[in-house]
Parts: sequence; structure tokens; C-alpha cells
Amino acid sequence: AQTVTQSQPEMSVQEAETVTLSCTYDTSENNYYLFWYKQPPSRQMILVIRQEAYKQQNATENRFSVNFQKAAKSFSLKISDSQLGDTAMYFCAFIQYSGGGADGLTFGKGTHLIIQP
Amino acid sequence: DTGVSQDPRHKITKRGQNVTFRCDPISEHNRLYWYRQTLGQGPEFLTYFQNEAQLEKSRLLSDRFSAERPKGSFSTLEIQRTEQGDSAMYLCASSLRGRGNTEAFFGQGTRLTVV
Repeated sequence: AQTVTQSQPEMSVQEAETVTLSCTYDTSENNYYLFWYKQPPSRQMILVIRQEAYKQQNATENRFSVNFQKAAKSFSLKISDSQLGDTAMYFCAFIQYSGGGADGLTFGKGTHLIIQP
Repeated sequence: DTGVSQDPRHKITKRGQNVTFRCDPISEHNRLYWYRQTLGQGPEFLTYFQNEAQLEKSRLLSDRFSAERPKGSFSTLEIQRTEQGDSAMYLCASSLRGRGNTEAFFGQGTRLTVV
């Protein structure tokens, strides 16, 4: 069974600072995807960034980037120039790729990120 | 079609009652997932459908839970004889099956409170 661990229940930074959220996972699979999802208060979960395990290059989406260390099974999210709208719960998630498609996501417990003005 | 929609958004029920939730996925998506999220936790996978076929069920899905997707479009999740431990946010997500298509789009969820 896969597990996802987020060791930081809550983080708080000042606006415009850079923040890194940690995530480790455990799997025996070789083909999988990793995600960071954002869940703002009382709003739906949205995808922030995705990483395919077979790609060595770290994914980047504007101010969001990941540090994917496959051997260490580590997948951290870096948010640069943080904004007030980044305040949310952030979930690291894993999905096994099983040929024709993917199965259910396994989520970590989340990190509550607070951006202070 | 702007996204995954769930109905109702909130449901308060008395213990022992049955409840049913509905999820309308993005129209061209053939995979539909149900998750449960309790306070302070990440979502936990319950079950998923590919078209109308229910392909996997978590052991979290007790006999009191049943899900259907009769025509491969919308889905319903029914909880019979609700218990206080069923209080949670129930999330629906949909995706398009195929290599490289792994992004799941989530609805806003149905918050269930059992009193």
C-alpha cells in the first residue's frame, strides 16, 4: 500500500517570501504520478502541479515548483513570491499508473499554509 | 459544463436516517471517484467508476454505503442507517481515462453532519 506523509501541519510566512512544503511517500511501484493540490477555505480542491515519476526534470508552474527526489521518495513544493491568495490547505498526493489509466489518489494529511500580510 | 458539481452542499441528518448525495462529473470524463474527508485529514479514497462499472471499492466503504453510476454519467452515493462517525465532507472527482490523463477535477463536496 502507498502512503504519503506531510510532516508540517501548519506553516506561516510573510507575503512575498518563499516557502517550501515537504512531502515524502512510500511505494514499491515504479510508474506513478505525484501531485500537489490546493484546497482554499470552503472551496474546491484544485491541482497546483504534477510530476511524472519517469521524468527527471522537476515540474514548474509559474511561482510553483517541485523538488522531486525519486530515490529518497521526496516531493517538496516551493512557492516563490507568496501571495495572500496562496493561503490554503495543501495536499500532496500519489497515484499509481496502471496501464490504461490511474486508480484512486492517496493523499497526505495536508499542510495549512498561512500567508501573512 | 464548467466543472464537477455536487448536490447538496450541506446535509444535516439524524442518526439512523438514510442519505443520498449526487455528483455530476465533467461531461466527457469517463472516470468518477468518491472520497471522504474528515476534519484535519486528507481525502480518503472510497470508490471509483469507469463509465457505469464500479471498478474498485475501499475497505472504508462499509455495507451501509452504496454507490451507483447508472448510465455512466452522474453518480449517487447512499449511506444507510447513518452514524455519527459518518460526519465528513464527501468529495467527488472526475477524470478522463487514458495515458497521461491523470488530473482529477474535484467538486466542492457535500458536508454531512449526523446528529
